[in-house]
Amino acid sequence: DADVTQTPRNRITKTGKRIMLECSQTKGHDRMYWYRQDPGLGLRLIYYSFDVKDINKGEISDGYSVSRQAQAKFSLSLESAIPNQTALYFCATSDLARGETQYFGPGTRLLVL
Amino acid sequence: QKEVEQDPGPLSVPEGAIVSLNCTYSNSAFQYFMWYRQYSRKGPELLMYTYSSGNKEDGRFTAQVDKSSKYISLFIRDSQPSDSATYLCAMRTNTGNQFYFGTGTSLTVIP
Repeated sequence: DADVTQTPRNRITKTGKRIMLECSQTKGHDRMYWYRQDPGLGLRLIYYSFDVKDINKGEISDGYSVSRQAQAKFSLSLESAIPNQTALYFCATSDLARGETQYFGPGTRLLVL
Repeated sequence: QKEVEQDPGPLSVPEGAIVSLNCTYSNSAFQYFMWYRQYSRKGPELLMYTYSSGNKEDGRFTAQVDKSSKYISLFIRDSQPSDSATYLCAMRTNTGNQFYFGTGTSLTVIP
């Protein structure tokens, strides 16, 4: 089984809708991250969490919110989706013992119409 | 200026060639350097991890860090069609919480 899983893998939604992307991990890492990937822009950090009670904004948090339900679960919400949020979204965990090397999930491809 | 610059390619080489992939960066405080490989429609997977300067070798892959030039490289020897993917560099400081990623270089190895 994959160490970092994301659901759904693909999602099409309409402008103004609220959607949630979910991430689960079995690696036992405390730190979890949400990124988006756009062509030509690379990976950009949206939010990160160092434990259940610690949530931090990343480079591009506007329009997004997160919830850390447990050590193993970290969800990303788009409160009111807009077409500009069409992207590939990745969840990641990090291994503190290896310089916080990141381990990524398979990604969620989101299309906002 | 971006924190990390990476030539997007695409790069196309024949099977068996030596491939050189590179990133430059502007923040002299970066200490942790990683290379990731990303296949189409997949998440990035860690290839190499290096702390500070020097070389690190793992099979056909060699990572080099030149902090004086703010330049890192990934070399792939005896390239295989299965190496066809996008390669991302990433780095961070000792105390920073954020990784900075390059935009990725697309590589195709032709049989």
